[in-house]
Amino acid sequence: RKEVEQDPGPFNVPEGATVAFNCTYSNSASQSFFWYRQDCRKEPKLLMSVYSSGNEDGRFTAQLNRASQYISLLIRDSKLSDSATYLCVAAGGGSYIPTFGRGTSLIVHP
Amino acid sequence: DTAVSQTPKYLVTQMGNDKSIKCEQNLGHDTMYWYKQDSKKFLKIMFSYNNKELIINETVPNRFSPKSPDKAHLNLHINSLELGDSAVYFCASSQKSSGGAGYNEQFFGPGTRLTVL
Repeated sequence: RKEVEQDPGPFNVPEGATVAFNCTYSNSASQSFFWYRQDCRKEPKLLMSVYSSGNEDGRFTAQLNRASQYISLLIRDSKLSDSATYLCVAAGGGSYIPTFGRGTSLIVHP
Repeated sequence: DTAVSQTPKYLVTQMGNDKSIKCEQNLGHDTMYWYKQDSKKFLKIMFSYNNKELIINETVPNRFSPKSPDKAHLNLHINSLELGDSAVYFCASSQKSSGGAGYNEQFFGPGTRLTVL
């Protein structure tokens, strides 16, 4: 079974801190990668797609390293509202099964 | 104008009962999914339909049967409910990528919290 692995955390950081999450995937044929955010008792929502060239959206930066088969998410200047679980997804590559990691819990405290 | 909706939001039932969860999307997507998220928060895919045809059927008990009457709906029927079926069930939809083996983002419904007593 193709897997996506994440450190479950929790990552406990103060407001304003920079925090980074990594996620490894085992299916080398995966072609599409995403980070989702899931708040407590809510559904997952897309945070950002991860492109080969990397991409940035405000305080969030996502990177893809195909050689080492991992994706990363960097959050700068953390806000209290960033507290959530961050799920990474690898999909494609001949399989339509999108595989979610178990998620990384982030807690941002004052 | 909810994009992906599920009913009911909460479902409490006794062991052995049969229940259904409904899902509808108004995004015009051609692919829909059912996921199960257990108490450990692991989001596991159960089924996927593309244009009303089953394309993914992960290892789930036969008691779970999806039904897609049209592209906008994917319902989940569960027979003979067991304690271990207690979880949050999410429906999702996406548009199948038009080229290569790529994959587009999924939009999730709000979830159905199933409790089996």
